Amino acid sequence: GAGVSQTPSNKVTEKGKYVELRCDPISGHTALYWYRQSLGQGPEFLIYFQGTGAADDSGLPNDRFFAVRPEGSVSTLKIQRTERGDSAVYLCASSFGLGSQETQYFGPGTRLLVL
Amino acid sequence: GNSVTQMEGPVTLSEEAFLTINCTYTATGYPSLFWYVQYPGEGLQLLLKATKADDKGSNKGFEATYRKETTSFHLEKGSVQVSDSAVYFCALTLNTGGFKTIFGAGTRLFVKA
Repeated sequence: GAGVSQTPSNKVTEKGKYVELRCDPISGHTALYWYRQSLGQGPEFLIYFQGTGAADDSGLPNDRFFAVRPEGSVSTLKIQRTERGDSAVYLCASSFGLGSQETQYFGPGTRLLVL
Repeated sequence: GNSVTQMEGPVTLSEEAFLTINCTYTATGYPSLFWYVQYPGEGLQLLLKATKADDKGSNKGFEATYRKETTSFHLEKGSVQVSDSAVYFCALTLNTGGFKTIFGAGTRLFVKA
């Protein structure tokens, strides 16, 4: 079946603008995760969902970042008043269930560039 | 705090050489340990995992053993191929206070023919 998909693949915006990044998880996967990856670094945890609820949003860097998953499938990461430091690859992953042993399946990422 | 430390790259090897990429971790509770790999132009994918102490994960000739006493999960392969050239990430997923996943910085491997 289809893997995790993310749109857009690339996004260029100006400082101060609002952006939305979308993630379509694998069908039937109940858990969904967002990460941010800067050049030369590993993915940095932002938030994960179990179903519709954000089970842990402790990785969101500040209140400009927000994520939703209203129907327990597709998720949107929203960034307000973007800053140049927000430039990174934003990765989404999903897993069948939620637990430490679960394998996460990653999407190709959205490369965000804030000018 | 919880963290993952892996050896810095890049690592450059000749084909058929032995590979070790070191990974150590700090974590509360008993996390599961993972190696993910990112091939050029592709997304992150699971290479192998181990969910409890002394477990050995293996896949595609790669192996790693969950060593609780040394808090390590070193990746090894006996004979690397050019097609193994990629970035390798060590990661842990907590099982205490939630299921957050923490990644190391990644180690880039180049294998020369």
